[in-house]
Amino acid sequence: EADIYQTPRYLVIGTGKKITLECSQTMGHDKMYWYQQDPGMELHLIHYSYGVNSTEKGDLSSESTVSRIRTEHFPLTLESARPSHTSQYLCASKVPGLLNTEAFFGQGTRLTVV
Amino acid sequence: DQQVKQNSPSLSVQEGRISILNCDYTNSMFDYFLWYKKYPAEGPTFLISISSIKDKNEDGRFTVFLNKSAKHLSLHIVPSQPGDSAVYFCAVYNFNKFYFGSGTKLNVKP
Repeated sequence: EADIYQTPRYLVIGTGKKITLECSQTMGHDKMYWYQQDPGMELHLIHYSYGVNSTEKGDLSSESTVSRIRTEHFPLTLESARPSHTSQYLCASKVPGLLNTEAFFGQGTRLTVV
Repeated sequence: DQQVKQNSPSLSVQEGRISILNCDYTNSMFDYFLWYKKYPAEGPTFLISISSIKDKNEDGRFTVFLNKSAKHLSLHIVPSQPGDSAVYFCAVYNFNKFYFGSGTKLNVKP
C-alpha cells in the first residue's frame, strides 16, 4: 500500500495569495513528481526531483516552485495564486530500481483560485 | 507535443462483457508502459504494466497487449464489473519521467 499524502485535499483561495501544497511519502523513494491535471486532459508533469536538493522543471511550464530538503517531503509553492492556477495537483513517487516502473500517487489537491 | 494518446474519451460496457481500452504512443524507443485507474477526487492507482520485450502481460481480469510495430497498446478487462467504472490512463516511463494520456472514462453498466 502506498504511503504518500497530500494536504490539503481541497483549497479555495483568493487571487494574489501565497499557497503551499504539501506532499509527503514514507517509503524512502528518491524520485518524486508533481503533475497538474484539468478535467478530461492528460496529467502534465510540472516538476520532478531525483533526490534531496534536486529539482527540475517538467514539460509543462508552471509558475509554481518546489523544494526537496528532505527525502520524504516535496512541497509545491505558488507565490501569487491566479484563477488560471485552478486545477488538480497530483504528487507521486517512484519505486526505486530500473525495472520497477510503478509510481504511487497521493490523493491530489483540488485548487480553486477565485 | 503529446507523446501518449487515448483517442476515446469514454466507453460504456455491459457488466460481464469485455472492456477494451486503447492507447497510441509516438516514440518507438519507449520501453515501459503502464495503465493507471483513477476514481473521482482520488489520485491514480497503478493497475498493470508491460515492458517492450513482451507483447502481453496478464493479471487476473486485466491483460495488457503491446503492439510495437503499430505503437499501440490496449487494456482488456474481462469480465467487466461495475466497480471497474473509473478513468483509465495509459502512461509510458521514459528517462525517469512518466507521460500520461488524457484518459478514457469507463462506465460498466449493471
